[in-house]
Amino acid sequence: KNQVEQSPQSLIILEGKNCTLQCNYTVSPFSNLRWYKQDTGRGPVSLTIMTFSENTKSNGRYTATLDADTKQSSLHITASQLSDSASYICVVSGTGGSYIPTFGRGTSLIVHP
Amino acid sequence: GAGVSQTPSNKVTEKGKYVELRCDPISGHTALYWYRQSLGQGPEFLIYFQGTGAADDSGLPNDRFFAVRPEGSVSTLKIQRTERGDSAVYLCASSLPGLAGDEQFFGPGTRLTVL
Repeated sequence: KNQVEQSPQSLIILEGKNCTLQCNYTVSPFSNLRWYKQDTGRGPVSLTIMTFSENTKSNGRYTATLDADTKQSSLHITASQLSDSASYICVVSGTGGSYIPTFGRGTSLIVHP
Repeated sequence: GAGVSQTPSNKVTEKGKYVELRCDPISGHTALYWYRQSLGQGPEFLIYFQGTGAADDSGLPNDRFFAVRPEGSVSTLKIQRTERGDSAVYLCASSLPGLAGDEQFFGPGTRLTVL
């Protein structure tokens, strides 16, 4: 069964600090992995997409990494801002003919001033 | 705006009632997804449309849930005989052809509360 596990479940950091969120998956065969940001009361918004051949991708202060061998990804947030407070969801798509991606439960990040 | 819209934003109903939730996808997006999200959880897949047809409805929890997309654009999720356990945020997303991994653009969701 395809699964996506995220850790930690929740995280509290001070403004300006860095943090790293983790995602482990069992989806196979693998197509791509996306990190979504979901603000409270809003729908998720895609931050980055990682394909099999990519190891690192940045989007501003967000940097995603992918290790397709160990089936792990991380999302690193640099110099956090109050607006980074949100849920971050790891979503993995496979190539097995299904158009339905597998969602993680998300990591809830709170940035305090 | 050009994003995905959902109506109503909030719906409160009584146990046993019938509800309809509407999704207006981004124009030109042929793929449309419905998800259900409980507090502190990730979105849970319900049903996927490619055009007018339901290509995958394996996520619908039981036969009280039904969705249509008659003209390949707007979709309606219908829940009969609502139960308290149906309370959740119902998210709609759309994407281009719907190939595996295509970016999904989400609406703001409809928060359903069943009393």
